[in-house]
Amino acid sequence: NAGVTQTPKFRILKIGQSMTLQCTQDMNHNYMYWYRQDPGMGLKLIYYSVGAGITDKGEVPNGYNVSRSTTEDFPLRLELAAPSQTSVYFCACSSPTGNTIYFGEGSWLTVV
Amino acid sequence: GQQVMQIPQYQHVQEGEDFTTYCNSSTTLSNIQWYKQRPGGHPVFLIQLVKSGEVKKQKRLTFQFGEAKKNSSLHITATQTTDVGTYFCAGPFRGNNDMRFGAGTRLTVKP
Repeated sequence: NAGVTQTPKFRILKIGQSMTLQCTQDMNHNYMYWYRQDPGMGLKLIYYSVGAGITDKGEVPNGYNVSRSTTEDFPLRLELAAPSQTSVYFCACSSPTGNTIYFGEGSWLTVV
Repeated sequence: GQQVMQIPQYQHVQEGEDFTTYCNSSTTLSNIQWYKQRPGGHPVFLIQLVKSGEVKKQKRLTFQFGEAKKNSSLHITATQTTDVGTYFCAGPFRGNNDMRFGAGTRLTVKP
């Protein structure tokens, strides 16, 4: 039982490049989330999903896209990377019955 | 929009001293959660409070939810070096799935 798995763990992007952060969970949880955490700051919700085929914007969705084709996977897409997107990205999941949010180990992204 | 504010931003204590972090919301919360993040790690769930005035304890940690359900606190008695990390509170915004986090209180403990 791996929980929430994110890849890659580290990535350096050039301005304007695109990439996808992968996230998969084996907890069979319906709810999934993407947060970003800037250095020394709290977590900001980017997007979330309450189930396959359903996604919704969080606090800071601009510059990102998501999809949820299966219960297990919730990839985050950056289309035109900007330096302001340098951050640590956390994928997470929770169940409808219990509100505990389980986080992945994070993906460190630097845009130069 | 709804915000969850946390104070202090930083707290440095001597081992054995107590520590408290406070969380305040601009609106009434249906519940509040607390998380701990070790340096370089990911947030880990500590507890959820749901009832007005609720108090829960986990060993040296005491969590309180205000009567108006707009504020909360985490108190650590006799801190240890293992308590080092950033403590976050989080509350639901638009429904229980849109959890908003405070900026966190970073605790350092001097042995």
